[in-house]
Amino acid sequence: NAGVTQTPKFQVLKTGQSMTLQCAQDMNHNSMYWYRQDPGMGLRLIYYSASEGTTDKGEVPNGYNVSRLNKREFSLRLESAAPSQTSVYFCASRGTGDYNEQFFGPGTRLTVL
Amino acid sequence: RKEVEQDPGPFNVPEGATVAFNCTYSNSASQSFFWYRQDCRKEPKLLMSVYSSGNEDGRFTAQLNRASQYISLLIRDSKLSDSATYLCVVRDGGFKTIFGAGTRLFVKA
Repeated sequence: NAGVTQTPKFQVLKTGQSMTLQCAQDMNHNSMYWYRQDPGMGLRLIYYSASEGTTDKGEVPNGYNVSRLNKREFSLRLESAAPSQTSVYFCASRGTGDYNEQFFGPGTRLTVL
Repeated sequence: RKEVEQDPGPFNVPEGATVAFNCTYSNSASQSFFWYRQDCRKEPKLLMSVYSSGNEDGRFTAQLNRASQYISLLIRDSKLSDSATYLCVVRDGGFKTIFGAGTRLFVKA
């Protein structure tokens, strides 16, 4: 039981390049989330998916797209990376119920030069 | 104004001290509340949920005041291992979950 996995762990991009961050969970959770974390800013919600086939914008969606490929997988795409997108990206999943815990992946450390 | 605001850190306390963190939220429709703990360069992990009646888990006590839109976390008898960043988390009635910026705690011997 791996929980939430993310790939890659580290990535360096040049401005304008594109890439997709992958996330998968094996806990049969309906909800999945993408956050970014910058120093002093805490985690900011980029997008979330309440269930397979649905996605919604969070606090900071500009510059990102997401795909809920199936119940297990939720990917985050940067179409044209910018230095302002240098951050640590966390994926999370959660089961149904108000007080269900969010489980996080180990994060992807992205640097855009 | 941010949706979830926390005490600015860092808090530096000696072992054995009692320390309290506060958090306010702006969305009155918020339904569920949590404290998460994050160690340096690691992912956040749930510390405890916060219920309307208040709840306790060992040395940790959480309180919720819906009227004032305020959440607190009290840590008694601080241990070196409590050094971490504590994140206040608020969820609306659906799926949107918002984190505060976090409060850094350093417990020293």
